[in-house]
Amino acid sequence: AQTVTQSQPEMSVQEAETVTLSCTYDTSESDYYLFWYKQPPSRQMILVIRQEAYKQQNATENRFSVNFQKAAKSFSLKISDSQLGDAAMYFCAYRRGSNYKLTFGKGTLLTVNP
Amino acid sequence: NAGVTQTPKFQVLKTGQSMTLQCAQDMNHNSMYWYRQDPGMGLRLIYYSASEGTTDKGEVPNGYNVSRLNKREFSLRLESAAPSQTSVYFCASIGGQKPYEQYFGPGTRLTVT
Repeated sequence: AQTVTQSQPEMSVQEAETVTLSCTYDTSESDYYLFWYKQPPSRQMILVIRQEAYKQQNATENRFSVNFQKAAKSFSLKISDSQLGDAAMYFCAYRRGSNYKLTFGKGTLLTVNP
Repeated sequence: NAGVTQTPKFQVLKTGQSMTLQCAQDMNHNSMYWYRQDPGMGLRLIYYSASEGTTDKGEVPNGYNVSRLNKREFSLRLESAAPSQTSVYFCASIGGQKPYEQYFGPGTRLTVT
């Protein structure tokens, strides 16, 4: 079974600085997707960024980027120029290519200090 | 376009009571999912429906039943609620032109006393 591990239960960052959230996963599949979801206090799950395993280039969405290390099975999220609105719970998730089921990590609570 | 809707948003049950959580999506998605979220546990899959007419167990199905009523609606039933089922429940769907993105409902906070 696939597992997703987020080793940092909580992280904090100063506004305008950069923070990196860690995620590792375990799979024997070659075709899969990785995701970062954001959950603010409103409880809504928001997709931040995704990475297809077959792509060597790291995904980027504005201030959010990933460092995808396939051999190490590592998938970290970097948030640049952190804003107060980035404060949330962040979940790393895995999906096998042909199967839409998501496996989530336990989450990292990010605090942004003004 | 409302996306994924869930009712109710909040519910308090006594042990042994039953209830059904409703979920509907208006995006013509084939696949729908029920997750539960507990503190420190992330989201865990309860049941899913890959297409209309099919349902399958996820990681934590015990104590739950589901019905895929039609393509739009996927309900989750607790036949005899237990305190261990106190959680936040999310419905999600996927399909259409963005098959990589699961769309989540706003969640239902359920407390079983």
